[in-house]
Amino acid sequence: DADVTQTPRNRITKTGKRIMLECSQTKGHDRMYWYRQDPGLGLRLIYYSFDVKDINKGEISDGYSVSRQAQAKFSLSLESAIPNQTALYFCATTTGLVGDTQYFGPGTRLTVL
Amino acid sequence: GENVEQHPSTLSVQEGDSAVIKCTYSDSASNYFPWYKQELGKGPQLIIDIRSNVGEKKDQRIAVTLNKTAKHFSLHITETQPEDSAVYFCAASKNSGAGSYQLTFGKGTKLSVIP
Repeated sequence: DADVTQTPRNRITKTGKRIMLECSQTKGHDRMYWYRQDPGLGLRLIYYSFDVKDINKGEISDGYSVSRQAQAKFSLSLESAIPNQTALYFCATTTGLVGDTQYFGPGTRLTVL
Repeated sequence: GENVEQHPSTLSVQEGDSAVIKCTYSDSASNYFPWYKQELGKGPQLIIDIRSNVGEKKDQRIAVTLNKTAKHFSLHITETQPEDSAVYFCAASKNSGAGSYQLTFGKGTKLSVIP
C-alpha cells in the first residue's frame, strides 16, 4: 500500500463551492505538508503541521485552510473555490530531520470552473 | 526567504548521452539539497540528496555536486535512458527553528530522453 494517499485524485468544481482534499499517511511521521503545483512554478508550500496541535501558514495560504484530525490525517479546504485555484495539489510527510525524505502523495488534480 | 532558481526548464537529450540540470540558491545558511523526480501522474520522489559538508555524491548513473561558495548545485545523469524522462526538481533547506527543515523548490526541469 502507498505510504501517502490522497482523495479525491481528480475533482471538478464550480466557483464559490467549498471543497476538501484529504490526505492520509502510514509512515508514522509527525510533520505533514500541503503543496500546490502549477506549470512552470514548481511546488509551493500552502500549509504545514508539526503535529496535531501545531499548524503553520506557508508561502501561499490565502484562500485555504487546513485541519489536522490525527497524526496520520491532514486535510486542505478551499472555503470558496475560485478558478485560479485550479492546480495539482500534493500532500507530503517527513520526520522533519535534516536529510530525511519528504514522502509525497500521488496528488489531487483540482479544476475550478 | 530562500530563493531557488533552476535551469533549464526543458532539456532534450539522445539516449545514452548525459544530462545536467543546474540550480542556484540565495540563502547561505541552507545546508541540505535534495533532488526529486516526478513521473507523469505521480508525486515527486527523492532520487538523491547532498548536505553542505559534502562536495559530491554519486549513486549509480546519478550524481550531484555542490559549490557552497558560488551557492549552486547540479544534477548529473549519465547514460540516459528513456525511463529517465520526467520532471526534475531541486530544493534547498535549512533549519528553520524547532528542529524543522522547510524545503524551497526550484521550478522544475522537464527532461526528455529521445530513443
